Amino acid sequence: GQQVMQIPQYQHVQEGEDFTTYCNSSTTLSNIQWYKQRPGGHPVFLIQLVKSGEVKKQKRLTFQFGEAKKNSSLHITATQTTDVGTYFCISNTGKLIFGQGTTLQVKP
Amino acid sequence: DAGVIQSPRHEVTEMGQEVTLRCKPISGHDYLFWYRQTMMRGLELLIYFNNNVPIDDSGMPEDRFSAKMPNASFSTLKIQPSEPRDSAVYFCASSAKQGSPLHFGNGTRLTVT
Repeated sequence: GQQVMQIPQYQHVQEGEDFTTYCNSSTTLSNIQWYKQRPGGHPVFLIQLVKSGEVKKQKRLTFQFGEAKKNSSLHITATQTTDVGTYFCISNTGKLIFGQGTTLQVKP
Repeated sequence: DAGVIQSPRHEVTEMGQEVTLRCKPISGHDYLFWYRQTMMRGLELLIYFNNNVPIDDSGMPEDRFSAKMPNASFSTLKIQPSEPRDSAVYFCASSAKQGSPLHFGNGTRLTVT
């Protein structure tokens, strides 16, 4: 798979604040998948983006795929303590390599 | 659908012992992946299979590690002999076809003393 770089590695926010994590690649990506791993849990698939400029929403989560298909973002509006965990993005084209992800901490 | 099933959930063993981790993928899924997760190294891909055939094992740390998939519903990851640095959470995941979402098992937490 095509490897992507994800930033930031860690983010601490106050409950109610917004949060964004970014994935970037130097090459055009065929797709982007986002996963969430709660502390002590396993990665769980959230969503897949395929089309240039695609935007998808899941309640307070907004996922975007860049026009050039080289970057993607996940934005959480008004974070809650249930949002705590590590968010991973990968490009799923065979060999699937996960980066370090972004670990989100939410202070109540 | 029971999801991906891994066993055991926890394994504690002494250095030098053989360890076998087991995985039952979701029925009908063509791809199976073995990952290892540690704080230091994150989520590492060890090996993956397509239709029971190993496709890429370049992530397997060394000859002490071996993985098999004798049929579509079962895979094993074996470490022989085990070492303390093998302590990690080992995840198995499966996907229906290339590009499909990964479904992870609950993992096996391995501790080698």
